[in-house]
Amino acid sequence: EIVLTQSPGTLSLSPGERVSLSCRASQSVSAGYLAWYQQKLGQAPRLLIYGASSRATGIPDRFSGSGSGTHFTLSISRVEPEDFAVYYCQQYGSSPITFGQGTRLDIK
Amino acid sequence: QVQLVQSGVEVEEPGASVTVSCKTSGYTFANYGVSWVRQAPGQGLQWMGWISGYNGHSIYAQEFQGRVTMATDTSTSTVYMELRSLTSDDTAVYYCARGNYYISTDAFDIWGQGTMVTVSS
Repeated sequence: EIVLTQSPGTLSLSPGERVSLSCRASQSVSAGYLAWYQQKLGQAPRLLIYGASSRATGIPDRFSGSGSGTHFTLSISRVEPEDFAVYYCQQYGSSPITFGQGTRLDIK
Repeated sequence: QVQLVQSGVEVEEPGASVTVSCKTSGYTFANYGVSWVRQAPGQGLQWMGWISGYNGHSIYAQEFQGRVTMATDTSTSTVYMELRSLTSDDTAVYYCARGNYYISTDAFDIWGQGTMVTVSS
């Protein structure tokens, strides 16, 4: 199975800053089938990005995804107060589907 | 609107079985599949398996083979997940999530609210 490693584990930021989260795969993710989710405490995950770079319905354009092969990035251009949460990457190019361990975005 | 509504909190003893339901609405059931994803307390997300709303075909993650069964009720657009031989390691929030109807590998655009399953004697 494909192992996804996210870095860093935790990021402390101030609102308005730009941030990039990394997701590295143990082998190439087929056809860029990489998604990003946001999860707030006590809530279900929310799909942000699919196909490595396509925003899901209703996701603000400050969120963007990039990458291919084994390295992918989620960027937030200007972090808003509601963006402080845990972010997970997921590969769905091969079975079994796997998730990264998550990156926590904290308010500085 | 599109919704996946799950059944409520479950508390089970070790060795028992649990069944969690996921009632879907707002879309054509046969046009999508449903995966189950669990999250142990303070941990990340783990995919358990998938079932097609089109033909009921299911695929399970190897870790759960022989211990999990997923089923659909097309008359009520509901998906069920049964997990057997529970241990304390199965204590987690269980989510259903909408995906593709013909292949297990997909991104999940809609999620249920989650069902907390606690395994304790």
